[in-house]
Amino acid sequence: AQSVTQLDSQVPVFEEAPVELRCNYSSSVSVYLFWYVQYPNQGLQLLLKYLSGSTLVKGINGFEAEFNKSQTSFHLRKPSVHISDTAEYFCAGAGSARQLTFGSGTQLTVLP
Amino acid sequence: KAGVTQTPRYLIKTRGQQVTLSCSPISGHRSVSWYQQTPGQGLQFLFEYFSETQRNKGNFPGRFSGRQFSNSRSEMNVSTLELGDSALYLCASSLGTSGTHQETQYFGPGTRLLVL
Repeated sequence: AQSVTQLDSQVPVFEEAPVELRCNYSSSVSVYLFWYVQYPNQGLQLLLKYLSGSTLVKGINGFEAEFNKSQTSFHLRKPSVHISDTAEYFCAGAGSARQLTFGSGTQLTVLP
Repeated sequence: KAGVTQTPRYLIKTRGQQVTLSCSPISGHRSVSWYQQTPGQGLQFLFEYFSETQRNKGNFPGRFSGRQFSNSRSEMNVSTLELGDSALYLCASSLGTSGTHQETQYFGPGTRLLVL
């Protein structure tokens, strides 16, 4: 069965510093991986997705993620964060079933 | 294109009541999925509808049901509400092309349900 693990529940980081949000998945079949962001009192917004092909995926707002099959990871990175990046970030996978399986979320807090 | 819309945005009910939530997908999208988000359990899949048929179902009791209309709009119903049903209910739509599991799902703002 598909499962997604986000290793950090909270990540505080100073403004303009780089950040990495970690995500590991487990699956015995091909996977499709996504990162979503949720701002307070809002729904989920897609940041980026990996379907196939290049393992480095670029998304919106300067985010990127690297698919690593050997380490079963799909970590999200941004070289320089802004206050406005403060939000909760969810990693999700879609394996053989149609539904998304979400990780538990990582709260990113950008400090001035 | 307008995004996914959900109504109402906020709802307060008491235990034992029932509630109906509505979701209008992005124009042209035929698949609608519902998710429950709680602090304790996180985001959990409820069910997916495509062409007025439930295509996939998560692990929720029968009190949770849904339907989809010919215009792809979907409703979700919860009967005999319990305190634990308090959550943010998110609806997501996608094109729904049969056989593709990697379609992007676009989420609405959610309906926040509080059960007292």
